[in-house]
Order: sequence, then C-alpha cells, then structure tokens
Amino acid sequence: QVQLAESGGGSVQPGGSLRLSCAASGFTFSGYYFSWIRQAPGKGLEWISFISSSGHYANYADSVKGRFTVSRDNAKNSLYLQMNSLRAEDSAVYYCARESGGFDTWGQGTLVTVSS
Amino acid sequence: HSVLTQPPSASGTPGQRVTISCSGSSSDVGSNSVNWYQHLPRMAPKLLIDSNNQRPSGVPDRFSGSKSGTSASLTISGLQSEDEADYYCAAWDASLGGFWVFGGGTKLTVL
Repeated sequence: QVQLAESGGGSVQPGGSLRLSCAASGFTFSGYYFSWIRQAPGKGLEWISFISSSGHYANYADSVKGRFTVSRDNAKNSLYLQMNSLRAEDSAVYYCARESGGFDTWGQGTLVTVSS
Repeated sequence: HSVLTQPPSASGTPGQRVTISCSGSSSDVGSNSVNWYQHLPRMAPKLLIDSNNQRPSGVPDRFSGSKSGTSASLTISGLQSEDEADYYCAAWDASLGGFWVFGGGTKLTVL
C-alpha cells in the first residue's frame, strides 16, 4: 500500500544540523511533488518546503529559507530535508506528505527537538 | 507568508451539524482550491476534503466542503464522538515562487 515513513529526527543543540529522510513505497515516487510540513508543540500545521517531481524546483517558507534544503532521490524513492542552523523554534514533529491535489498521503512524523 | 484564518475552537453535540470557516486572500483561497485535513492526536493528518468539495475515497459523506470567493467552510453533519479532532484548511498560493498556506486549526469538541 501507499506509505511514507520519516526518519532522522532527534535531539540537537541550537546551531546544529539534522538530516531527515522520508522513504516512500507502494506508488511511483517520481511522479509526485512532495512537501515537508511540521507541527510545533501546541501549535498548528506549518508548511515549510516543497519539491517538484524531478527535483529541479523547490521553495521554502520564510521561517526556514536559507537554513533548510529539500532534495530527493527518485532512484531510491526517498525525500530528504537537510536542516542547518537549527533554532529552538524549529522543534516540532516533521511530516513528509505527497501532493496530489491536496496532501493525500502523510508519514507518521519524526520528532526534532532543539535544545541546549 | 500569511496564515488562513480559522476559529480556534468549535463544538457540538452528537447528531448536530457543525461548520468551520476558513478565510484567506485573493492569492490563496481566492485563486486556488481549498483542502481540509483532520488531525487526530498522535496520528498523521488525513485529507478530508480535496478541491473545495471533493471527498477522497473512504471519507464519510457527513463531511462536506464549500468555497465562495476568499472564504471556505467545512460542514460536519450528524456529528459523532470520533469526529473530535483538529481541523485545518489549506490552499496553494502561486506568488513568491509558490507555497502552501495552512489555517491555524480548529479544535472540534463533541460535547
């Protein structure tokens, strides 16, 4: 069945880096755009980045622009989010989501905690 | 990037009808389709309404969506206890390279 599974979350100090991964299965990964969406504790959903099906185009929310980089490897059916210069306010559950009109498939999320 | 405006909370008793509003701007809701998501605690969000008023397979017909101008709404008819969740609207904004914007979320309580 159609599935997304995030990994790579954890605890990191302010200023540190993490790389999240999202493994896809059950569908033709290369045919879809994907987004990363996060939810900070007690807050709502926040879209942070999308990447085109080819990987040639991406965009970011102002809150992460210049610090986060999204990428994908269509041969490996995987999506990535490189997060640098992390701040306390980046602490959140990070979801990858497939775009098909709306976000029709979501992973279970991976928790990122930025704290000293 | 702006956030779509939703009421922070809504409530109803079993069997009632509840409507959640979502207000945006000409560049997001006014120009593109609105999607609605249901987010249960400790679960992944679920697409509830696609393209303003389309229910994905498996979504009960108690859930319906509509849009007019820069506003949209989600209506839940015949409210059930399992509908207690957070609900989010979202829309695409093609300006500034393109981005998605979410509403702040509405916590629905079934009394």
